[in-house]
Amino acid sequence: KAGVTQTPRYLIKTRGQQVTLSCSPISGHRSVSWYQQTPGQGLQFLFEYFSETQRNKGNFPGRFSGRQFSNSRSEMNVSTLELGDSALYLCASSSLGLAGILQETQYFGPGTRLLVL
Amino acid sequence: KQEVTQIPAALSVPEGENLVLNCSFTDSAIYNLQWFRQDPGKGLTSLLLIQSSQREQTSGRLNASLDKSSGRSTLYIAASQPGDSATYLCADYGGATNKLIFGTGTLLAVQP
Repeated sequence: KAGVTQTPRYLIKTRGQQVTLSCSPISGHRSVSWYQQTPGQGLQFLFEYFSETQRNKGNFPGRFSGRQFSNSRSEMNVSTLELGDSALYLCASSSLGLAGILQETQYFGPGTRLLVL
Repeated sequence: KQEVTQIPAALSVPEGENLVLNCSFTDSAIYNLQWFRQDPGKGLTSLLLIQSSQREQTSGRLNASLDKSSGRSTLYIAASQPGDSATYLCADYGGATNKLIFGTGTLLAVQP
């Protein structure tokens, strides 16, 4: 079974630009979560999508958005990039149990490392 | 508010030593607690998941415990090896929030 894949793996952008990151979950997983990891703030939850609907959102500005397609693939978009957006962006997929509760582990992709200059 | 704290932030031990990593959480409605490992520049690898109804889980040289009443979890690594060197993260999944909240991690170095 193929793991979670993320593209691109590395990205360099300049302030003010926008960026789109892609995540393909494990086959059969319908929940996709996104996280931002920085040395100062650690791993922070961005949002979660399940069956094409945003189910949960973290405390990030509206510049951060995402979507999920019918095949469960997900994209996240960051507009008007700031220097502080430089981070490792991780995507994780999982299957949900009854009532949409996470009952098994999330499987993480290798991440996209974004550098904003 | 869900908060997760890990102590110590960094730990260096000689090979062969047994060690314990600590994780504290404030979520009284925790659904499960997970331990992950992260190698430099890489994604996360799941180690153990403990449901709120369980007290511990074991996998090989790893044993994780969960005490909901005190809001604590520990990860015990037996007979540490240089290959265990990595950052270890615990994460609280709150059933009320459906969010996985991570601790700041413990950077472990096992010296050969």
